[in-house]
Amino acid sequence: EPEVTQTPSHQVTQMGQEVILRCVPISNHLYFYWYRQILGQKVEFLVSFYNNEISEKSEIFDDQFSVERPDGSNFTLKIRSTKLEDSAMYFCASVAWDFGEQFFGPGTRLTVL
Amino acid sequence: AQSVTQPDIHITVSEGASLELRCNYSYGATPYLFWYVQSPGQGLQLLLKYFSGDTLVQGIKGFEAEFKRSQSSFNLRKPSVHWSDAAEYFCAVRGTGGFKTIFGAGTRLFVKA
Repeated sequence: EPEVTQTPSHQVTQMGQEVILRCVPISNHLYFYWYRQILGQKVEFLVSFYNNEISEKSEIFDDQFSVERPDGSNFTLKIRSTKLEDSAMYFCASVAWDFGEQFFGPGTRLTVL
Repeated sequence: AQSVTQPDIHITVSEGASLELRCNYSYGATPYLFWYVQSPGQGLQLLLKYFSGDTLVQGIKGFEAEFKRSQSSFNLRKPSVHWSDAAEYFCAVRGTGGFKTIFGAGTRLFVKA
């Protein structure tokens, strides 16, 4: 069964450093998303991406964040200068088409020291 | 505004007892409805989903949920809880198109022997 994959599973970084979280969505999917979940809290939407551009973003997704689909298979989330409060689990998701189920990846746990 | 409410932050049930987790949503149209389960430090596992049709949906691990349009509810049920069901449960909604998923705050289930 196809699945969304994410790498790394756990990333530790120093405050102020740049991090790139990587996702490989399911190959024929069209819509891509990033969500985050701070420890003990609910899952929050960050950004959605369709047709090579951002279709929606939340208030959390400020100028420190960017997304890219560089090669038609990977979907990345970059945090330019990490803060302590960026420590969270980050989930990637993809959807095949308008009425399809959203498939979530296993998550990347980001720890900012 | 679009929202999902899970009124119970945590619930404790005895092993073998029945379970009902409540979920109410606010959405402009009939959304897609989901229940996810998450064990500590793990990703999101889809338990079941409702897109259309029969309002009683069956999921994995013996779970079921009933969509009640008049009450804007999508409660999760299980007739007999197992100790392995102890986890965090998230109700979620999503619209058609490439819309984001909106999650509830979660209900933590504790199972006592």
